[in-house]
Amino acid sequence: GQQLNQSPQSMFIQEGEDVSMNCTSSSIFNTWLWYKQEPGEGPVLLIALYKAGELTSNGRLTAQFGITRKDSFLNISASIPSDVGIYFCAGQLTNQGAQKLVFGQGTRLTINP
Amino acid sequence: GAVVSQHPSWVICKSGTSVKIECRSLDFQATTMFWYRQFPKQSLMLMATSNEGSKATYEQGVEKDKFLINHASLTLSTLTVTSAHPEDSSFYICSTVLRGYPTYNEQFFGPGTRLTVL
Repeated sequence: GQQLNQSPQSMFIQEGEDVSMNCTSSSIFNTWLWYKQEPGEGPVLLIALYKAGELTSNGRLTAQFGITRKDSFLNISASIPSDVGIYFCAGQLTNQGAQKLVFGQGTRLTINP
Repeated sequence: GAVVSQHPSWVICKSGTSVKIECRSLDFQATTMFWYRQFPKQSLMLMATSNEGSKATYEQGVEKDKFLINHASLTLSTLTVTSAHPEDSSFYICSTVLRGYPTYNEQFFGPGTRLTVL
């Protein structure tokens, strides 16, 4: 089945540093999504990518959809304490009708003030 | 504001009992809802796709007789864990796709329900 390989699994950084994480897949996805999950809550959508090569920003967050549609990265600039959480990439196959998501393993971000 | 709610937010039950979890879409119609399970420090795994007015579609390895899904209305889907056992303890999360927004296919997630089976 489809799998998304997300790295790194965890990051420990100082406040103010930039963060970069990425996802790769052996399968092609129509849409790549980046979510953030905080303890005891459901994931919240950060950025959605629909076109190969697309570069999209949302405040301090920037994400790009790989040309081959098999990879994506997420960057966070000038991290702040509220960025702490688990970040998941997710691939979506819209041509299957059910719009199912396949999630990466997650990147746990810890920030030292 | 939130577009999806879940109830209860947490539940503790004895082994062998059944537990029902509700997922509601707020202020919009959801023809499709998804149910995920997340074990501690792991990713979300899709369990089943729930379609209003029809039978749910289960992912490989998910027992349909153990995890009963009912999507009787456009705003409510329920997941019933029957004869729960400690290994069913997990975080259960539902999501919906906004009807009328096919271009974006964004899934909105509920806040999750933590189930602990003693």
